Amino acid sequence: SQQGEEDPQALSIQEGENATMNCSYKTSINNLQWYRQNSGRGLVHLILIRSNEREKHSGRLRVTLDTSKKSSSLLITASRAADTASYFCATVTFSLIQGAQKLVFGQGTRLTINP
Amino acid sequence: GAVVSQHPSWVICKSGTSVKIECRSLDFQATTMFWYRQFPKQSLMLMATSNEGSKATYEQGVEKDKFLINHASLTLSTLTVTSAHPEDSSFYICSATRDILAKNIQYFGAGTRLSVL
Repeated sequence: SQQGEEDPQALSIQEGENATMNCSYKTSINNLQWYRQNSGRGLVHLILIRSNEREKHSGRLRVTLDTSKKSSSLLITASRAADTASYFCATVTFSLIQGAQKLVFGQGTRLTINP
Repeated sequence: GAVVSQHPSWVICKSGTSVKIECRSLDFQATTMFWYRQFPKQSLMLMATSNEGSKATYEQGVEKDKFLINHASLTLSTLTVTSAHPEDSSFYICSATRDILAKNIQYFGAGTRLSVL
């Protein structure tokens, strides 16, 4: 089942502007990750934030996590046309059976950067 | 590093045939691989988790006999869609985790678009 809900579902902005995407989840998490997917392609890991962290930066990306509100946001600053893609948050749950960390993806935000 | 190759990228087949999709970790050993299904403009749905040398664990609602998963080595997992029908048409994506320390991050293949006529 999909735990994450992302907001907005679609976002269209001008190149150079900042893009903010939000994600909410329902259960306790080990960490939360953001992935990017270009149309018809696989996903690329962008950034991971642990449950005890509140903010993390990576280049033009800034991620926040509020565990009390069970929400996270991804900010892309100074957007570029090449940032056009779908962005997914994914929460991590641990499976005792597999010993693996399962990802549960949100519905995604389709971001369009207009040149 | 951490490259995952998925093949084929696109396959068209007749209804009733079986299709095999390969997922390979090229530069690392993947103890765990995951198979997802994605419908147009929708999110990824986990189908199964595959551990090397053991049976795959399927998510609720996913038919094991329909979607056969084999993880025979630390670098290869295969998904076979048996007796495919048009409703199986979808985008299938695999991913792999690198090692125990990096188990939080999954590395994805480029996906396979399956069209069943």
